[in-house]
Amino acid sequence: GENVEQHPSTLSVQEGDSAVIKCTYSDSASNYFPWYKQELGKRPQLIIDIRSNVGEKKDQRIAVTLNKTAKHFSLHITETQPEDSAVYFCAAIHNTDKLIFGTGTRLQVFP
Amino acid sequence: NAGVTQTPKFRVLKTGQSMTLLCAQDMNHEYMYWYRQDPGMGLRLIHYSVGEGTTAKGEVPDGYNVSRLKKQNFLLGLESAAPSQTSVYFCASGSVNSNEQYFGPGTRLTVT
Repeated sequence: GENVEQHPSTLSVQEGDSAVIKCTYSDSASNYFPWYKQELGKRPQLIIDIRSNVGEKKDQRIAVTLNKTAKHFSLHITETQPEDSAVYFCAAIHNTDKLIFGTGTRLQVFP
Repeated sequence: NAGVTQTPKFRVLKTGQSMTLLCAQDMNHEYMYWYRQDPGMGLRLIHYSVGEGTTAKGEVPDGYNVSRLKKQNFLLGLESAAPSQTSVYFCASGSVNSNEQYFGPGTRLTVT
């Protein structure tokens, strides 16, 4: 089955700097890769996703890149703000199979 | 629309007691999921359902049972609670047309 590894587990950056979180997956058939943001005490919410037929996707300050050959994908947050502080989860899925989540990255953005 | 709701929000059980967590969604989604979230472990899938009357095991199904008698509801049961089941439980739903999952607010369960 699918296995998703996520690094780093914690990440601290200064406000305005960039943050990068990386995930690797094991199942080459996986074709959908979402990223969820979870604020303290809240539910996970989708912030961006990418499908295997696309190499990069951007949405304002957030971007996701996918390298199918190496089986890894990354979340990039530019110009970080204190409200970006949260736990971020990557996940992978093959078609309508089960989403498998990474173990999460706690991002802290210091003013 | 309320989206995905869960009841109860909090619960404390003694070892050996039973309980049922209820998840409801009003988005007419076919797929529903139960996850548990533990520190440093991310979200792990317990059971899921791809339609009314169907259920399947996820990554960590032991000690839990589920039922999907109605399309909008997905119940998670603990027959004999153990301290290892202390966790935050999230329900999620999704449609056949999209891989996106919508999460409920979570239930914090403590087993003493």
